[in-house]
Parts: sequence; C-alpha cells; structure tokens
Amino acid sequence: GQQLNQSPQSMFIQEGEDVSMNCTSSSIFNTWLWYKQDPGEGPVLLIALYKAGELTSNGRLTAQFGITRKDSFLNISASIPSDVGIYFCAGQGEGGGSNYKLTFGKGTLLTVNP
Amino acid sequence: DAGITQSPRHKVTETGTPVTLRCHQTENHRYMYWYRQDPGHGLRLIHYSYGVKDTDKGEVSDGYSVSRSKTEDFLLTLESATSSQTSVYFCAISGRGNQPQHFGDGTRLSIL
Repeated sequence: GQQLNQSPQSMFIQEGEDVSMNCTSSSIFNTWLWYKQDPGEGPVLLIALYKAGELTSNGRLTAQFGITRKDSFLNISASIPSDVGIYFCAGQGEGGGSNYKLTFGKGTLLTVNP
Repeated sequence: DAGITQSPRHKVTETGTPVTLRCHQTENHRYMYWYRQDPGHGLRLIHYSYGVKDTDKGEVSDGYSVSRSKTEDFLLTLESATSSQTSVYFCAISGRGNQPQHFGDGTRLSIL
C-alpha cells in the first residue's frame, strides 16, 4: 500500500521557536491534510490542502502542498506550550466511487519547553 | 467540534468475547470510518461506510465486522476478541468521500 514518511519523529524545542515538519510519499496525492492529536483525544484537523503548490495558513500554522504532489510541510511559528502534541500528515488519493481512503504518516511528537 | 460520540470510551474484556463499539454522529454525514491507532503504526483504516448498509474493507479488516443500519450510527464488532486487537479505536466522518475526515475522541480497548 501507499506509505508516508513523516519527519522528524519527535522534536523538543523552546517556547518561541519556529518548528518545521514534513511528509513525503512515493505516490501522488490529490489532498494533503494536517492533524494534531492531544493525549486522550482524537486527531483534530488543522489545515487542508487541495492544489499542488498551495500555501495555506491557520494562525501561526502554515502548510504547503508540494509541487510534485508527493510531499507537504507544516510550519509552526513562535511556538507556545499548548502546541505540544502529535502532528499527523495524511494524504488522500483520487479515489473514485466510494474509495477516498486516507494514508497517514506516523506522526511527529512535539514537546515545547516553557 | 464535529458531533461524534464514541462509546464506550474505555473497555477491558477477555480473549474470545464479542465486543461492539459504537460511533454516533449528529452531522448527517454520508461517510463514516473506523480506524485503529497503535504505536509504530499510526492510524490504520479498518472498515468504512459510504451510506446506510454500504460498507467496505480497509487495510486491517481481518477479525472485524461493521454495520450501518441508519445514517447516524456505525458499529464495529470484534466477533471473538484477541489480544492483538488491543488498541485505541477512532471513528471518523466526512460529508463526501473527498472531504476531510473529522474524528471522535476514541475508545481505548484492552483485551486480556
């Protein structure tokens, strides 16, 4: 099946620093999604990207859909303690009919030191 | 927050017993999904539904069955639970297949 490589696996940063994480795939995706998961909760959608080259922001978060459609990155600027959590990328293929399955990266664990 | 309720939130049971997890949504979304989340594997799709009585398998469907008799409810059943099915199970919904999925808060299932 399709595989997503998400890096880094974990990050430990100081409050106020910027953060960057990315996902790469051997397959082309039509949609890239970024989620954040807090302990004991489900993933929450942060940003959705639908076009190659698209750059989208959500507050301090910025994500881009790679030109090749095989990669995406997420940046967090001026990190704060509540940014702590696991960040997942997910790619969605063209599907067709009833088949629009998501492929998830294994996550980036972010720790922010106040 | 998307109106998704998973029940129970926690369950401990024994090997060989049947287990049913419920996902209830109030968004009237057509698509519903069941995932399991395990360390080192991330989120993996078990089964999904694209309408009432319309379901299909995901990548890790062995040992699981699903049913969807009405739009708002999607049930996941482990007919005879095994220890390898100890996991956190998440339900997700989307309005259309190509729209982003929104997740419930999960069910932590332990099989002893």
